[in-house]
Amino acid sequence: ETGVTQSPTHLIKTRGQQVTLRCSSQSGHNTVSWYQQALGQGPQFIFQYYREEENGRGNFPPRFSGLQFPNYSSELNVNALELDDSALYLCASSLPSGGYGYTFGSGTRLTVV
Amino acid sequence: GNSVTQMEGPVTLSEEAFLTINCTYTATGYPSLFWYVQYPGEGLQLLLKATKADDKGSNKGFEATYRKETTSFHLEKGSVQVSDSAVYFCALSPLMGGNNRLAFGKGNQVVVIP
Repeated sequence: ETGVTQSPTHLIKTRGQQVTLRCSSQSGHNTVSWYQQALGQGPQFIFQYYREEENGRGNFPPRFSGLQFPNYSSELNVNALELDDSALYLCASSLPSGGYGYTFGSGTRLTVV
Repeated sequence: GNSVTQMEGPVTLSEEAFLTINCTYTATGYPSLFWYVQYPGEGLQLLLKATKADDKGSNKGFEATYRKETTSFHLEKGSVQVSDSAVYFCALSPLMGGNNRLAFGKGNQVVVIP
């Protein structure tokens, strides 16, 4: 069984630019969640996708958006990047009832300069 | 809303010492509880979980018991190794229903000295 794969692993962008991060979910998992982890902090929930629809959103502005594709892979898009967007972005896949566990990818380290 | 509180500060201890990391939670209903571990430069790995009261999750010598009466899920290991040095996160998720977001604590850095 394959795990969760994220790309790219590292990225440097300039303030004001746009970025797209990608995630392939674990085999058999149809729900994908995205988290932002600032340095020294716990991950914060951005949003979740189930059956290609957004299924819940955390306290993030609309310039954070996402997509889920029929094969359950997902993208996170961030527009008008700000310095505070610098963080590790984690993707997690699960079954719809997340109580049985989430599998995380290794993350994308985004640096905004 | 759902939230998780972990004890403040890093934990430094010698090899073979006993490790305890405290975790308490606030939640409606009956959430599932998790401990995740993060090694330097990596994502999160599920260490153990418990899905109902009085369940004990265990893995790699680590244990945690779901205590509903004290809303706690403390992590313990009897004899730590240098390889256990990492950041440990306590988290919860609603068991049923949609929007099953994980709520994380701030994490505890554990440093094991040889």
